[in-house]
Amino acid sequence: GAGVSQSPSNKVTEKGKDVELRCDPISGHTALYWYRQRLGQGLEFLIYFQGNSAPDKSGLPSDRFSAERTGESVSTLTIQRTQQEDSAVYLCASSQDQFYEQYFGPGTRLTVT
Amino acid sequence: QKEVEQNSGPLSVPEGAIASLNCTYSDRGSQSFFWYRQYSGKSPELIMSIYSNGDKEDGRFTAQLNKASQYVSLLIRDSQPSDSATYLCAVKLAGYSTLTFGKGTMLLVSP
Repeated sequence: GAGVSQSPSNKVTEKGKDVELRCDPISGHTALYWYRQRLGQGLEFLIYFQGNSAPDKSGLPSDRFSAERTGESVSTLTIQRTQQEDSAVYLCASSQDQFYEQYFGPGTRLTVT
Repeated sequence: QKEVEQNSGPLSVPEGAIASLNCTYSDRGSQSFFWYRQYSGKSPELIMSIYSNGDKEDGRFTAQLNKASQYVSLLIRDSQPSDSATYLCAVKLAGYSTLTFGKGTMLLVSP
């Protein structure tokens, strides 16, 4: 079946602009995660959605970051007033629930100039 | 404090050898353990999952879990140059809703 998809694959934006990143999880997966990976660094957890429960936002680095998910479908990560330190690959993953394997999408490479 | 620790490497092995990758974790109540492979410029790819003590084999890969020692390892037999990548250990720590990832070990397999 289809894996996790993300769009766009690459995004170049000017400092101060807002960006939206999209994630389409594997069908039937109730859990969805966003991570950030800066160049040469490890995975940094951002936010987690599980079904209709309140999301775990504990990893969001500032109030410029927000994310939404409608039911068990697509999620959008929004970064407002982008800064150069936001440049990274943003990865989305989904799983059947929190105890199971996470499957990653190809990521969105964000470059803030 | 939640921690998953890996040696950053690089771990260099010759083609055909066994590569041994290790991971320790801080929480004795951890429940689920995963190994991911990440090629440069690509997203992590799931290789193995292990949930109970002992060994789990899948092809050239064997995951080993020792909950008493809070230790999980990945063995790669007959290593190939195509195995050269960063290997990430991920643990579902008790009380946390998400996986905690180690920073990864870079493996280099020389022909």
